Amino acid sequence: RKEVEQDPGPFNVPEGATVAFNCTYSNSASQSFFWYRQDCRKEPKLLMSVYSSGNEDGRFTAQLNRASQYISLLIRDSKLSDSATYLCVVNKGSNYQLIWGAGTKLIIKP
Amino acid sequence: GAVVSQHPSRVICKSGTSVKIECRSLDFQATTMFWYRQFPKKSLMLMATSNEGSKATYEQGVEKDKFLINHASLTLSTLTVTSAHPEDSSFYICSVGGYGNQPQHFGDGTRLSIL
Repeated sequence: RKEVEQDPGPFNVPEGATVAFNCTYSNSASQSFFWYRQDCRKEPKLLMSVYSSGNEDGRFTAQLNRASQYISLLIRDSKLSDSATYLCVVNKGSNYQLIWGAGTKLIIKP
Repeated sequence: GAVVSQHPSRVICKSGTSVKIECRSLDFQATTMFWYRQFPKKSLMLMATSNEGSKATYEQGVEKDKFLINHASLTLSTLTVTSAHPEDSSFYICSVGGYGNQPQHFGDGTRLSIL
């Protein structure tokens, strides 16, 4: 089993729709969780951290389920500019080493 | 978040050449920096953790003699790909941060193509 697992997609979604991704992780000791977005041939950029109680940033909502060891990202009212690969990132237990998912590709269509 | 500058952004060179990539933390004193590699359509893979003033910590399967890392100051780490071959062609990215629950922040990356 991979340490961090994501559905690679692509998710083809019409503009304005709501889309959700899940990501599962295997290390129950992980404490830090993030969603990054990566545009084609660019470096990853932090989208949002994921907190235990769940958190929202504009159209983006992140949730953490420790019992089932998954995190989710919800994008509402999707825009064309949301097209990217979304990377789930989890720290490796007690240290700051990060484990990266392979990413979920999202394509927003007009 | 931290501002990270990586240079060069693109390198194309012949097989056998050594290539040096610089990673600078512009507004953050980084005792630790991270070097990643990403092949097309694959996830980022941590190659090594660069430690200021001491040896880098390499991940399993990464040749330390092939990928030389120097972290001489709190703001600069360098990765040298020695005697590069076509299979070393990849996207190399450095990052800083990640202490506690803080995220890491990335340089722009270096796209290396070995002919």
